[in-house]
Order: sequence, then structure tokens, then C-alpha cells
Amino acid sequence: GAVVSQHPSRVICKSGTSVKIECRSLDFQATTMFWYRQFPKQSLMLMATSNEGSKATYEQGVEKDKFLINHASLTLSTLTVTSAHPEDSSFYICSASAWGRELGYTFGSGTRLTVV
Amino acid sequence: KQEVTQIPAALSVPEGENLVLNCSFTDSAIYNLQWFRQDPGKGLTSLLLIQSSQREQTSGRLNASLDKSSGRSTLYIAASQPGDSATYLCAVRNTGSSNTGKLIFGQGTTLQVKP
Repeated sequence: GAVVSQHPSRVICKSGTSVKIECRSLDFQATTMFWYRQFPKQSLMLMATSNEGSKATYEQGVEKDKFLINHASLTLSTLTVTSAHPEDSSFYICSASAWGRELGYTFGSGTRLTVV
Repeated sequence: KQEVTQIPAALSVPEGENLVLNCSFTDSAIYNLQWFRQDPGKGLTSLLLIQSSQREQTSGRLNASLDKSSGRSTLYIAASQPGDSATYLCAVRNTGSSNTGKLIFGQGTTLQVKP
């Protein structure tokens, strides 16, 4: 149980366009989802926390207008990188947790974004 | 502010060796600690989750310990295999009602097991 599906796994887009990444919890209801960014050979940096039905909470230094997060249902959260630029190229990973603090987090397989 | 440190940053061992990966955290007020494995270009796979009230967790050849008072956790891998080669990340989840439950990650230990 506790499977998180992330799509797409890879995307290449032109500078100035927008890209949407989906994160789905397949067999549980995710009350909270997290979006991380990972640069090569570095650890994960939390970008934002999204709770179903409410606005996302962004970490300091993360542009909320550039990284739009929507968590419209208990099984789906989306991250849209708007007006992407080459410096937005990175590995984006989502994670989800369900009710009950005793549970750990399940991570998606990640999305490699390349902006050309 | 919670900070998580992992030592060593990289480790190379011959197949069959037992090894220990270290993780330390500065704030002992944690809710739980989780060890993950990440293969290159992939997402994270959860290995072991230790609640703050627990001292250790075991899964197969893996054993994770937690000493909250000293701010340390270790991941022990027995009889290492080439397939264990990956980056191992530890992450803590702090307590506190204002906390959203986010994880704070260490920088990871990249393990290479040579055949």
C-alpha cells in the first residue's frame, strides 16, 4: 500500500512555456502533499506544502507565482512551473502522507524537468 | 532550526562487508525519523521509519537505531551487495502543533558496493 504516482517522469520544454506535474496517491487519501526540488548531487529542498482544499504554504525563497500548486482532491496535487527558464531545470519530487502522524511519507518517482 | 547531517558523504566497500551510515540532528524534539534510498535519477524509497518512542527498526539486512537524546541515528547494512549501491538519505519530522509535518533531510551518503 501507500503508492504515489508522479507524472511525467521526464519533460523537456521551451523557455517561457509552462509545465504541469501531477502527483497522485493511488491507494490512500493524502491529506498533505509536499513538493521538493533536488539539484544534482544535493539533497531534497522542500518547496511547498499543500493541504487538500486550501492554499499551499511555500518555503522561504520559493516564488509562489512561479510554482503554482493545486491540491483540489485528496488524491491529486499538481505543481505548475510557469514561464519556465533554464534555471528551473531540476528534479522535482512529490511526497504524500495520510491521516495519522504515525505514518511515514511516500514519495513519487520524480520528474526531470529540462528547460531549453 | 533543525539541521540534519549525514556522515560519510560517500562510502565504497567490497561486497559482503557490514557497514554503518550515520545521521545526526540538532533538535531532539522529533516525531519520527525515516531512512530512504534513492537510486540515480529516481524518487525515494522508504526503508525504515522509527517513531520517537522507538529505539530501532529492522527490515531484512537493514537495521536502524535511534538515540533521540544524543540526536543520532544509524543505518546498519549487513552483508552488503552491489545492489545496495545508492544514495541513502535520513530525514526527521519535528514535533509541534505549528509544524506541518514536513521532513528535514540530510545531504545523504552515496554508497558503492564493489563486486
